[in-house]
Amino acid sequence: ETGVTQTPRHLVMGMTNKKSLKCEQHLGHNAMYWYKQSAKKPLELMFVYSLEERVENNSVPSRFSPECPNSSHLFLHLHTLQPEDSALYLCASSQDGTGEREQYFGPGTRLTVT
Amino acid sequence: SQQGEEDPQALSIQEGENATMNCSYKTSINNLQWYRQNSGRGLVHLILIRSNEREKHSGRLRVTLDTSKKSSSLLITASRAADTASYFCATRNTGGFKTIFGAGTRLFVKA
Repeated sequence: ETGVTQTPRHLVMGMTNKKSLKCEQHLGHNAMYWYKQSAKKPLELMFVYSLEERVENNSVPSRFSPECPNSSHLFLHLHTLQPEDSALYLCASSQDGTGEREQYFGPGTRLTVT
Repeated sequence: SQQGEEDPQALSIQEGENATMNCSYKTSINNLQWYRQNSGRGLVHLILIRSNEREKHSGRLRVTLDTSKKSSSLLITASRAADTASYFCATRNTGGFKTIFGAGTRLFVKA
């Protein structure tokens, strides 16, 4: 247990569906991250939130919409996804968003878009 | 853009042997981190080494950093079957705020 939980663990959705991924950290951290991990590709940073403010949007398509209501929770809202969006989505947190501290990862949500 | 590149892409060894993985990067960094990922799971942080450090140890893990060659190595001594996983290096560039991950080395330790 890393102190970061993600739900659901598995999700299958059609291209016209709307769904949300949830992440919660119990570590008292101030920064949270969304990453996408596709087969045989490096981990791709999607969004960074520091003190509930989005500080990084790594050219992610608008069909992915993040939300950080407080420092413990992070959501990723999904709509009209494409099959190439199928991947493992990882949430992480760190003590701050400076990049000087290690990140703690959740177990991920395996997303399949049909 | 990808910063760290691990080498080799895959490594298969016998239990008890040492495993060495390398990471090369292109630009100046503030720190370099190594993470482990078991199949289909989240990443687990192993070691962070800062740009002014040359070597760090943690249990059976030894990490070196050579900033002149822009490279780092992760050595796992006396490997165990449970060490089977993918290992990633991640760098934080000087003046940057993002931690950028490489594609990883897949290590398989045979019992």
